[in-house]
Amino acid sequence: DIQMTQSPSSLSASVGDRVTITCRASQSISSYLNWYQQKPGKAPKLLIYAASSLQSGVPSRFSGSGSGTDFTLTISSLQPEDFATYYCQQSYSTLSEGTFGGGTKVEIK
Amino acid sequence: EVQLVESGGGLVQPGGSLRLSCAASGFTFSSYWMHWVRQAPGKGLVWVSRINSDGSSTSYADSVKGRFTISRDNAKNTLYLQMNSLRAEDTAVYYCARDGSVLLWFGEFHWFDPWGQGTLVTVSS
Repeated sequence: DIQMTQSPSSLSASVGDRVTITCRASQSISSYLNWYQQKPGKAPKLLIYAASSLQSGVPSRFSGSGSGTDFTLTISSLQPEDFATYYCQQSYSTLSEGTFGGGTKVEIK
Repeated sequence: EVQLVESGGGLVQPGGSLRLSCAASGFTFSSYWMHWVRQAPGKGLVWVSRINSDGSSTSYADSVKGRFTISRDNAKNTLYLQMNSLRAEDTAVYYCARDGSVLLWFGEFHWFDPWGQGTLVTVSS
C-alpha cells in the first residue's frame, strides 16, 4: 500500500502570509494527488485534483504542484477563512487506510 | 444542488451492529461510484470502503474487511454501510462521498467530492 506523509503536522501563520504544505508518497504516484480542506465540525472540501488542477469555485490563492513522490499545496496569501486542516490523498493505486496524509493544521499566529 | 445526507449513527456496545445510510440528491446517483470515509475524534481521514455504480464491485480497508458491508439501492438513491462486530476503535464520524473523475491527456483522475455532513458512531459499553 502507498503511504502518504504530510509535513508539517501543524503550523502557525498570519493573515497575508504565504503558506506551503508538503506531501510525500512512499512511491511514485505520478500526478494522482488531491488536496482537501477541513474546518472544525465540517466535512472535507476538495481544493485541488490531479496535483495542480483547481476545483471549480476554489479561490485562486490556492495552488498545487509536484509529481512523482513530492507535492506541495501553497496558499499565496492566507485569509482568515483558510485556517483549517489540510489533507492530501493519493488516487494512483488501490485505496487503503493510508490513502490520506495525516493532515496539516494551519493555525493563527 | 448536489447533496449527501448521512444517518443511522449512534451509541452501540462493542460487538453490536449498526447500519448507516447516505441519501443522495441533485445528481444521477446510479452513475457514480461511492465511498465511505471515517474520522476518529481528533484524528485524520481514513478511507473505509467503495462501491461501483451498479453495486457489483466493492472494496474495503483491511481494518473493516469481513465486518462491514457496503451496498446501494439505486432506485432509492441511497448508499449503505452495514457495520457488524463493532469495536471501540470503530468510533468515528462516518462520511459518505461521491467519486469524481476526469480524463485528462495524461491519465484518468479520481477524487472524493462532495461529502456528506457525517454521522457519529460511538462504540462503548
